[in-house]
Amino acid sequence: DSGVTQTPKHLITATGQRVTLRCSPRSGDLSVYWYQQSLDQGLQFLIQYYNGEERAKGNILERFSAQQFPDLHSELNLSSLELGDSALYFCASSVGTSGGYQETQYFGPGTRLLVL
Amino acid sequence: AQTVTQSQPEMSVQEAETVTLSCTYDTSESNYYLFWYKQPPSRQMILVIRQEAYKQQNATENRFSVNFQKAAKSFSLKISDSQLGDTAMYFCAFILPLLYGGATNKLIFGTGTLLAVQP
Repeated sequence: DSGVTQTPKHLITATGQRVTLRCSPRSGDLSVYWYQQSLDQGLQFLIQYYNGEERAKGNILERFSAQQFPDLHSELNLSSLELGDSALYFCASSVGTSGGYQETQYFGPGTRLLVL
Repeated sequence: AQTVTQSQPEMSVQEAETVTLSCTYDTSESNYYLFWYKQPPSRQMILVIRQEAYKQQNATENRFSVNFQKAAKSFSLKISDSQLGDTAMYFCAFILPLLYGGATNKLIFGTGTLLAVQP
């Protein structure tokens, strides 16, 4: 158990809908990262938050947004869902923001999203 | 841009034997970090081992060790005394952190090697 929690574990929804994925980082970690794992794109970085502020963006679609709250949990919002958004969405956390060995990213169990 | 390549899509090994998974990467930087993550059928991403590029000594974690060849940009994972529980997808990952001038702290993953441990 990494200490990172994600809810829900599974989500089935229809095209055009909106969903919210939730992540709670490890105790003491200030950085949260979101990754998408799909069959055709592999593991892709979406976005990073540090202590409530956005720090970096990756291949995140405009239909997707995220935020980190004062209690440090984070939510990833996916809207106008398409079939291609079906994937495993991971949240990871680390201590700070400088990165590297000292701030190894630990992953949650993921949320499996299926868009029908 | 940094890239990570895992050229072995699938591998198989007998229980108790040793197997080596290959990974190469491309970067022009001298300070960075490398990781191996394991993803078993449960799909959880589990850290296996990590290596700092400025350290010449290869990292080891129990039955897992790496062969880090910085000049060759190679970072292979050796699993000794393979166990059935080692059956998983293994991902090699690279990070050029903000600490060393990276634009983000994102992990860049290879495409993975599916390892099957046979009884």
